[in-house]
Amino acid sequence: DAGVIQSPRHEVTEMGQEVTLRCKPISGHNSLFWYRQTMMRGLELLIYFNNNVPIDDSGMPEDRFSAKMPNASFSTLKIQPSEPRDSAVYFCASSPDSGEQFFGPGTRLTVL
Amino acid sequence: EDKVVQSPLSLVVHEGDTVTLNCSYEVTNFRSLLWYKQEKKAPTFLFMLTSSGIEKKSGRLSSILDKKELFSILNITATQTGDSAIYLCAVVSSNTGKLIFGQGTTLQVKP
Repeated sequence: DAGVIQSPRHEVTEMGQEVTLRCKPISGHNSLFWYRQTMMRGLELLIYFNNNVPIDDSGMPEDRFSAKMPNASFSTLKIQPSEPRDSAVYFCASSPDSGEQFFGPGTRLTVL
Repeated sequence: EDKVVQSPLSLVVHEGDTVTLNCSYEVTNFRSLLWYKQEKKAPTFLFMLTSSGIEKKSGRLSSILDKKELFSILNITATQTGDSAIYLCAVVSSNTGKLIFGQGTTLQVKP
């Protein structure tokens, strides 16, 4: 099992550019979570999906952030336009019904 | 409001010491409590606890849950430098399925 796969692993972009982060959950897991981690705020849940349907997006900071899950094996988190304060590590995690979440390696985003 | 509070926030010990990390929580419709270890990468799963009083153990690490007093502890015996990490506690609400994370305990084990 390859675990949760995220891409890219690192992204450096300029303010105002669109950023798309990708995630492939573990096969068979029915929930997918997007988190952001910074030194100041720790690990924050942005949005999560259950059976490809967004359940709770209350953690999405602004309209500049959007997430999709078109099928059970793929999700994207998009930031448009990006700002320097979006710089963080973005984690995707997936979970079976038991609730245990498995994290991907993360995408380190730097917005200049 | 659901919340998870960990203590201490940071801890420095020497190899061979035993440490106890604390996690207290308030959550609507508790389902489970999870412990994660995070080094310089993604959090890795340690334990999931759902029932009070049943100790989970893995090598030098062990954890137990008290659902009456709403807390959990993570014990590490005979610490090693490789135990240095951030230890995260999270609680799952059965209402939402969301993980609510504590702020983490940063453990540094010195040789």
